[in-house]
Amino acid sequence: GAVVSQHPSRVICKSGTSVKIECRSLDFQATTMFWYRQFPKKSLMLMATSNEGSKATYEQGVEKDKFLINHASLTLSTLTVTSAHPEDSSFYICSARKWGQGNDGYTFGSGTRLTVV
Amino acid sequence: AQTVTQSQPEMSVQEAETVTLSCTYDTSENNYYLFWYKQPPSRQMILVIRQEAYKQQNATENRFSVNFQKAAKSFSLKISDSQLGDTAMYFCAFMKGTNAGKSTFGDGTTLTVKP
Repeated sequence: GAVVSQHPSRVICKSGTSVKIECRSLDFQATTMFWYRQFPKKSLMLMATSNEGSKATYEQGVEKDKFLINHASLTLSTLTVTSAHPEDSSFYICSARKWGQGNDGYTFGSGTRLTVV
Repeated sequence: AQTVTQSQPEMSVQEAETVTLSCTYDTSENNYYLFWYKQPPSRQMILVIRQEAYKQQNATENRFSVNFQKAAKSFSLKISDSQLGDTAMYFCAFMKGTNAGKSTFGDGTTLTVKP
C-alpha cells in the first residue's frame, strides 16, 4: 500500500508562535507532496506543491514567508506556519503520490487541526 | 483554469437504497482524470473511484460507479446498497493529465445514510 503519516493530528499554539507539521510517506518515496487547507465543511484548497530538493511552488494568494515548506528527503515534507494568528486556524492536509502509481489517486495524510489562540 | 461544481451541498438516503451525487466540471483540457474522494467524520480523505478521460467505459468499484459524460462535462457518482458507513462528505476532483497531481476539488456533498 501507500501510507502517508501526518503529525501532529491536533495542535494548539499561541498567537505569534510557529508550528511545524510533518508529512511522511511511510512505505514509498515521494518526490512531490501537496499541502491543502480545509475550512469546516468546505473544500480543500491547494496551498503549495512541495518538491524534493527544490523550492516549493505556492498557489496564488498563499504567503510564502508565512507558510514555509521544506522537502529535504524523499519521505518527508514539513509545513511551518510562522507567526501564527487566529485566522490561520484550520485543518491542514498533505498528500503524496507513490512513484509508479500513475494517476490513480493520491494518498492523503490524516490531517492536522491547528488552533491558534 | 479548471472548475469543479457539486450542486448538492447535502443529501440523505435510506440504508440499502441507491443515491447519485452530481458533479460537473469545466476545462479546455483533453487529457485529464476525475476522482471521487470520501471524507468521513475522521476527516481522512479516501479515494473512492477514478476515471480517465480517454476511457469511454464508466469506472466501477464494487457498490460505487460513475456516469461519465465527457461532452457534457459531467461525472456523477452512484452508490448502490447504501450502508451506514457511507455517511461522509464526498468530493469530486479534477486533475490534468500532465500536472503531476495538482487537483481541483469541488465544494463537497455531505451524504447521510439513515437507518
